[in-house]
Amino acid sequence: DTAVSQTPKYLVTQMGNDKSIKCEQNLGHDTMYWYKQDSKKFLKIMFSYNNKELIINETVPNRFSPKSPDKAHLNLHINSLELGDSAVYFCASSQSGLRYNEQFFGPGTRLTVL
Amino acid sequence: KQEVTQIPAALSVPEGENLVLNCSFTDSAIYNLQWFRQDPGKGLTSLLLIQSSQREQTSGRLNASLDKSSGRSTLYIAASQPGDSATYLCAVPFYNQGGKLIFGQGTELSVKP
Repeated sequence: DTAVSQTPKYLVTQMGNDKSIKCEQNLGHDTMYWYKQDSKKFLKIMFSYNNKELIINETVPNRFSPKSPDKAHLNLHINSLELGDSAVYFCASSQSGLRYNEQFFGPGTRLTVL
Repeated sequence: KQEVTQIPAALSVPEGENLVLNCSFTDSAIYNLQWFRQDPGKGLTSLLLIQSSQREQTSGRLNASLDKSSGRSTLYIAASQPGDSATYLCAVPFYNQGGKLIFGQGTELSVKP
């Protein structure tokens, strides 16, 4: 019973291509996130959606566009991929509330841009 | 601006030792602090969530403490095992920013048999 799942697990593509990563959670949470883990293993927030609405948009190039068709899904589309986009992308979810409850992470998508 | 720091960056211990991992944060106005474990090439597994009103939280051989006033949390691992080898990350939700987590750089733990 996977709580937060992502597809694909690995993605290898050429510079300039457009690609998407999908995320689904079956925890009934109302908030979902995308994080990026760079080559130095540092994790940083990219986006956050609450009930399908964008609530956090960090300083991320507009080539990255998240889409949330419903509360259980948050996809990440990346246009015109660049070498620097190579990283591991993690999706996470939590239930919002006054105390920002525990976040659960997916297994990650390792993106390699050649 | 919230900054999270973890010391040490790497730690190697023999099996059976008790050990402490440290996490410090600059802004004490936090709702909670979460400890994660990340195995090489894998995702993050949530270990413990300690609320701002709590001083400690325990799960099995793990014990997390929180001192908001000093901006510190520790993760205590009792009787370490080779299977505990992983990177341990602490994170706090950013105040009034939709719960986004600010992560430390992690402590890479190696437990030798």
